[in-house]
Amino acid sequence: ELKVEQNPLFLSMQEGKNYTIYCNYSTTSDRLYWYRQDPGKSLESLFVLLSNGAVKQEGRLMASLDTKARLSTLHITAAVHDLSATYFCAVVLPYNTDKLIFGTGTRLQVFP
Amino acid sequence: DARVTQTPRHKVTEMGQEVTMRCQPILGHNTVFWYRQTMMQGLELLAYFRNRAPLDDSGMPKDRFSAEMPDATLATLKIQPSEPRDSAVYFCASGFITGEYTFGSGTRLTVV
Repeated sequence: ELKVEQNPLFLSMQEGKNYTIYCNYSTTSDRLYWYRQDPGKSLESLFVLLSNGAVKQEGRLMASLDTKARLSTLHITAAVHDLSATYFCAVVLPYNTDKLIFGTGTRLQVFP
Repeated sequence: DARVTQTPRHKVTEMGQEVTMRCQPILGHNTVFWYRQTMMQGLELLAYFRNRAPLDDSGMPKDRFSAEMPDATLATLKIQPSEPRDSAVYFCASGFITGEYTFGSGTRLTVV
């Protein structure tokens, strides 16, 4: 059974600071997704990582994937209040399935 | 922008009643998911389809839940009979294998 763990679960950080959210998963996978969810809203796709060593950046967010370590990171650079949200990673089971399993989520709060 | 459309957005029903939630995936997408989100359990995969065929519904309570795709433009999730513990937000998502998955706005279900 695929398990996806994120840490930390909660993150309170000051504007301007940097931080990293970690996503560990328990079995082989070749696809990993990052989503953002604002309170009471749907999930918004941020990144799709398809191969070992993949790195993608959008604004102050950068995601990377290490399939050998079964680890993805979401790095936040110079945080701003607008980044406050819950961030989820999700991993696809291997062998030509689409079974997408979500992590626990990291609730990020950025304060002045 | 193409969207996944879910109806209804909100539903309040009495225990024991049948509930039907509908999802219109993005035209051309061949994979459709149903998820349930609660504070306690997070995002749980209930069922998913590829090319309208059910691939996995192991996340659903079989005695009361059913999921179908009567055609490529409609996916349904039914609960009969509904129970208070079914209260949650139900999300539908669609996409292509190796691509992005787009989520709908969700159906907020309250069973009283």
